[in-house]
Amino acid sequence: SAVISQKPSRDICQRGTSLTIQCQVDSQVTMMFWYRQQPGQSLTLIATANQGSEATYESGFVIDKFPISRPNLTFSTLTVSNLSPEDSSIYLCSVDQGWINTEAFFGQGTRLTVV
Amino acid sequence: KQEVTQIPAALSVPEGENLVLNCSFTDSAIYNLQWFRQDPGKGLTSLLLIQSSQREQTSGRLNASLDKSSGRSTLYIAASQPGDSATYLCAVRNAGNMLTFGGGTRLMVKP
Repeated sequence: SAVISQKPSRDICQRGTSLTIQCQVDSQVTMMFWYRQQPGQSLTLIATANQGSEATYESGFVIDKFPISRPNLTFSTLTVSNLSPEDSSIYLCSVDQGWINTEAFFGQGTRLTVV
Repeated sequence: KQEVTQIPAALSVPEGENLVLNCSFTDSAIYNLQWFRQDPGKGLTSLLLIQSSQREQTSGRLNASLDKSSGRSTLYIAASQPGDSATYLCAVRNAGNMLTFGGGTRLMVKP
């Protein structure tokens, strides 16, 4: 298993500002992902964080709005830029080892409220 | 495109009842299926992982079954407790090695 520390756990931000979320894993992992969970909804994949290269974004998500870094095999950040109230969601970091039978693990989530 | 559906969307039961949560998926070519628990405003906790070759997995009061050919999984919770109150999510892993999540079942166990 993997233990994931995600910070901050929650934040209230002003419209137009940015929030950076950190995800630290206690062991090296192959794959790191960022998800968004809008109020009352299930999880939507934002992007796959690739070590040392640009993240791979899902349809509807762009790098300018959700820049992602992954400098090594245990750490990643997600920035949500130019915040609007529609960005109020829970953001989740997830990791797995990339095998087809692998188990996914999640961080504690970051609850973002934009005012 | 894989679609995952969970029924019911919400469930309220008295303490002590045995209950079943359902998860169905449209594409049976899955690698595995995972059940998660999510407390309000929090992250996901992995409960059970069933590989495509397995029929069921057990952990304590939880038992998950998988019928891949019919595209169904069930999560059985025995002797429910108020501490079991949470949202339960199922997710399948298939082509592309990505997870597809269901909408979740919000469970309330009343004392």
